[in-house]
Parts: sequence; C-alpha cells; structure tokens
Amino acid sequence: EVQLVESGGGLVQPGRSLRLSCAASGFTFDDYAMHWVRQAPGKGLEWVSHITWNGGSTGYVASVKGRFTISRDNAKNSLYLQMNSLRPEDTALYYCVKGGQQLAPFDYWGQGTQVTVSS
Amino acid sequence: DIQMTQSPSSLSASVGDRVTITCQASQDIDNYLSWYQQKPGKAPKLLIYDASNLEKGVPSRFSGSGSGTDFSFTISSLQPEDIATYYCQQYDNLPTFGPGTKVEIK
Repeated sequence: EVQLVESGGGLVQPGRSLRLSCAASGFTFDDYAMHWVRQAPGKGLEWVSHITWNGGSTGYVASVKGRFTISRDNAKNSLYLQMNSLRPEDTALYYCVKGGQQLAPFDYWGQGTQVTVSS
Repeated sequence: DIQMTQSPSSLSASVGDRVTITCQASQDIDNYLSWYQQKPGKAPKLLIYDASNLEKGVPSRFSGSGSGTDFSFTISSLQPEDIATYYCQQYDNLPTFGPGTKVEIK
C-alpha cells in the first residue's frame, strides 16, 4: 500500500524558514518524480514544486521560485521542501504527491501538513 | 504557464441526474489532463487520467473526454457520495489545476 506521510508544518513568523518532510513507502521511491501541492484555507489546489526521480531536474511555481527548494533522499525514501523567506500567502496545507515516470497525473497524495505564516 | 478554466464554479443537481463539468486549457495540452475529486477535509483523489482513462477502482459512472484545449467530465448518475469539489489538471507542462467545481445535491 502506497503511503505518503508529511511532517514539519507549523506556525512560523513571516520571513522565517521551515522544512517539510515526506516519508514514502509502498512503492519504488526512486522510480518516480515527486511533487508538492498546496491548498490555502478555503481555496483550490496549487502545484508548488516537482523533482525528477534522481533529483536531476526540479521545477517551481513562480511565486516560490528562489525561496523554496525541493530535494529528495532516495536512500531514505524521503522528499523535502525547504521553505525560506516565508510570507503570509504561503499559509496552506501542503501535500506530498507521487508523480509518474514521464508526464503523468498525481496518483497518490499524503494527508498534508499545515503551514501557517503569521506574526 | 498554461492556465486552466473550469465551468461551472458550482452546481446543484438531484440524485440520479447527469452532471457535466467543462475544462479549458489556454494552449494545446494533447490529452495530458486529469480529474480529481476532493471531499471536505480529505486529500484529492485521482478519478480520470489522460483525459478519458478511468483510474482503477473508480466507479464507471465517472467519465472524461476531450483533447487539445477542451475537455469535459461527466457523472452519469449523481450519487449522494459524489458531493465534492472536482478539479481538472494539466500535466503537459509544469502542472496547473483548474479553479474547481463544487457539486452539491439539490
């Protein structure tokens, strides 16, 4: 059974940093791209970032480029999102999502970790 | 970036009704489109991928069609458990989601 378990969320002041983690199990982690998707309170889904199976390529939504860094440790079956210079508009539930081997839909989602940016 | 639009933003229908949601991409995305269902307090669930393929385990009353820029999603006979928000998503390029359609029972 595929499981994606996020952690690391919390309440943080504007301008500070936070690191999210996602522990993956139930599939061959290093075969697949991985993504972070967020959802602000009462709003829709927003794709945040992706990383290819070997970490060789990454992508970001424009609003987080230069502030967020996605990474992975295939030996630990783990995905990370380093979030720096956080802003109130980054407040959201952050989902860890399994991608595919090429252009692919998002077939498995974690339950999310809440990030709240407020003074 | 590829922009996705959806209509309607919300709808109310009776149990047993046929419900259709449309999704339009700002440029040609071939068939790289998926549909997700999100119930309150839950993570989204993949229903349809590659525009018209039903994900394993998803009831056959759900279907999708289209290619290029225009797509549709249909629930052939609305059930009470289908109350949710539905999102389209393109994955031809950096992924983007539509704004969602909230489906309610009349």
